[in-house]
Amino acid sequence: AQSVTQLGSHVSVSEGALVLLRCNYSSSVPPYLFWYVQYPNQGLQLLLKYTTGATLVKGINGFEAEFKKSETSFHLTKPSAHMSDAAEYFCAVMKGNAGKSTFGDGTTLTVKP
Amino acid sequence: GAGVSQSPSNKVTEKGKDVELRCDPISGHTALYWYRQSLGQGLEFLIYFQGNSAPDKSGLPSDRFSAERTGGSVSTLTIQRTQQEDSAVYLCASSQGQLPSYEQYFGPGTRLTVT
Repeated sequence: AQSVTQLGSHVSVSEGALVLLRCNYSSSVPPYLFWYVQYPNQGLQLLLKYTTGATLVKGINGFEAEFKKSETSFHLTKPSAHMSDAAEYFCAVMKGNAGKSTFGDGTTLTVKP
Repeated sequence: GAGVSQSPSNKVTEKGKDVELRCDPISGHTALYWYRQSLGQGLEFLIYFQGNSAPDKSGLPSDRFSAERTGGSVSTLTIQRTQQEDSAVYLCASSQGQLPSYEQYFGPGTRLTVT
């Protein structure tokens, strides 16, 4: 079985500060990893994904994440938060080519002016 | 182009009634997924269709839940004898295939409230 743990259901940062959203996974096989963002009253949108190759993955809106196999982590970062980054963020893992993904419970990011 | 659409956007039903939720995937996408998002929780996988293969129903929570996909396009999720714990947002997604390299595109969801 695979699972995803997002540490911190709510994260608050000041505008311009570093954003760090944590995600740890458990998987019996090398996983494929995803971060999605859900803005208020909108559907989920893919931010970035790791499938193979480079472990540091860059996504949209200045976000990036690093796959660390030894730590079973895929934390999401952004050097400088913008007000528009306020949203809910979901980490997800896909096992092999199974198609379906397992999602974490989400982290709500608040950006203070 | 058009994205994934879902209808209705909101549905309020009485406990014990049956409901049908509809998903129109992006044209040409062979994979279609249903998820459920309960308040304050992540997405829970329900069922997955890929082309003409038998669907993966491993996430359906009970036999009151069923889904079909007609003609490899539109999908309907049916919940029979609804219960209050079925209240959630039901999300549909589609992709070009099941490989992780293919992005899942999500619809806006149907918010189901069982009273």
